[in-house]
Amino acid sequence: DAKTTQPNSMESNEEEPVHLPCNHSTISGTDYIHWYRQLPSQGPEYVIHGLTSNVNNRMASLAIAEDRKSSTLILHRATLRDAAVYYCILRDVVGMYTGNQFYFGTGTSLTVIP
Amino acid sequence: DAGVTQSPTHLIKTRGQHVTLRCSPISGHKSVSWYQQVLGQGPQFIFQYYEKEERGRGNFPDRFSARQFPNYSSELNVNALLLGDSALYLCASSPGTSPAGELFFGEGSRLTVL
Repeated sequence: DAKTTQPNSMESNEEEPVHLPCNHSTISGTDYIHWYRQLPSQGPEYVIHGLTSNVNNRMASLAIAEDRKSSTLILHRATLRDAAVYYCILRDVVGMYTGNQFYFGTGTSLTVIP
Repeated sequence: DAGVTQSPTHLIKTRGQHVTLRCSPISGHKSVSWYQQVLGQGPQFIFQYYEKEERGRGNFPDRFSARQFPNYSSELNVNALLLGDSALYLCASSPGTSPAGELFFGEGSRLTVL
């Protein structure tokens, strides 16, 4: 199973952009890149996902390297409510038949400074 | 619309006892997955069920078992509890098994084993 590598922690000032990196050098051609975040005392929540092209939604943007060996989650203006653990996860089509479990890793703990 | 609901939210057991955790998926979702999250770590996959059949199993001992009912709700059972089973148990539902699909998590059941 393809693994991801993320920094353990990052800090950002409130209302500034945040770039959360993720390395996935063993990614396969059919792996989707997912990002989830977990606020204290809550279950993880979906942020964004992509396959090859950059993606935008109301929460964030996902920038995927051309070789797909890394990606970056971009929060355009960090708020105090964005303080959470962010997980970068790979999910492949083979798992549709074998149980496409998410492998979360330890994620990046984002601290937002007022 | 109701999200994923889990019960109980908190429980305390002693070593050797048995526990049953319950999960109701979002209406219309046919896939349910279970995760264990030990303090300070990311969630670890335990089981996935789709259309009442087991689709995947993580690296957990046979003391862990689960099932999915005709209404797509699910139970996670853990026998012969050990201190190391103390964790937050998360249930997630999704419409199907697509690797591009979003997982919706409940807030979890926090199990303490004494």
